[in-house]
Amino acid sequence: KQEVTQIPAALSVPEGENLVLNCSFTDSAIYNLQWFRQDPGKGLTSLLLIQSSQREQTSGRLNASLDKSSGRSTLYIAASQPGDSATYLCAPIKSAGNKLTFGGGTRVLVKP
Amino acid sequence: NAGVTQTPKFQVLKTGQSMTLQCAQDMNHNSMYWYRQDPGMGLRLIYYSASEGTTDKGEVPNGYNVSRLNKREFSLRLESAAPSQTSVYFCASTGELRSPLHFGNGTRLTVT
Repeated sequence: KQEVTQIPAALSVPEGENLVLNCSFTDSAIYNLQWFRQDPGKGLTSLLLIQSSQREQTSGRLNASLDKSSGRSTLYIAASQPGDSATYLCAPIKSAGNKLTFGGGTRVLVKP
Repeated sequence: NAGVTQTPKFQVLKTGQSMTLQCAQDMNHNSMYWYRQDPGMGLRLIYYSASEGTTDKGEVPNGYNVSRLNKREFSLRLESAAPSQTSVYFCASTGELRSPLHFGNGTRLTVT
């Protein structure tokens, strides 16, 4: 059974600092991995999807890396802003049934 | 541009009552999912439907039933609600393995 761990569970940084969010998973036989953002009281929004054949994926200030063999992914957010305050979740997906397994999330607070 | 729509947004039930949570997507997606989110437990898959006409159990299916009514709609039914089913329920959909998952805004259910 896939287990997904996100460290740290919570993070508070001043505006402008770079954020580094870690995700580890136990079963490296994944098809891809997604990073999501969740604002309080809302659903999840997909930020980046990185295929198992890729090493990294970028979108604006966001960059996600994937090391499938070691079961790790890292989300980097450059030059953080207060609007980046949210919970970030990672979810690797196995091909069978297209099912994602979610980590517990990292709650980020960016202070102005 | 509706995406994934869930109804109702909030619901309070007494133990033993039944209800159906509705989910519809307008993106012509094949796969649809029901998750529940609980503090400290993260997001857990209840049921999913890889394509119209098929449904499969996820991690926590007990106490729930689902119906994939057509390609657009995937409903979740609680036949006899229990306090342990107090949670936030999310519906999600995706077109194919390589595309991101899209979430609804959730249904907040309280069972007293």
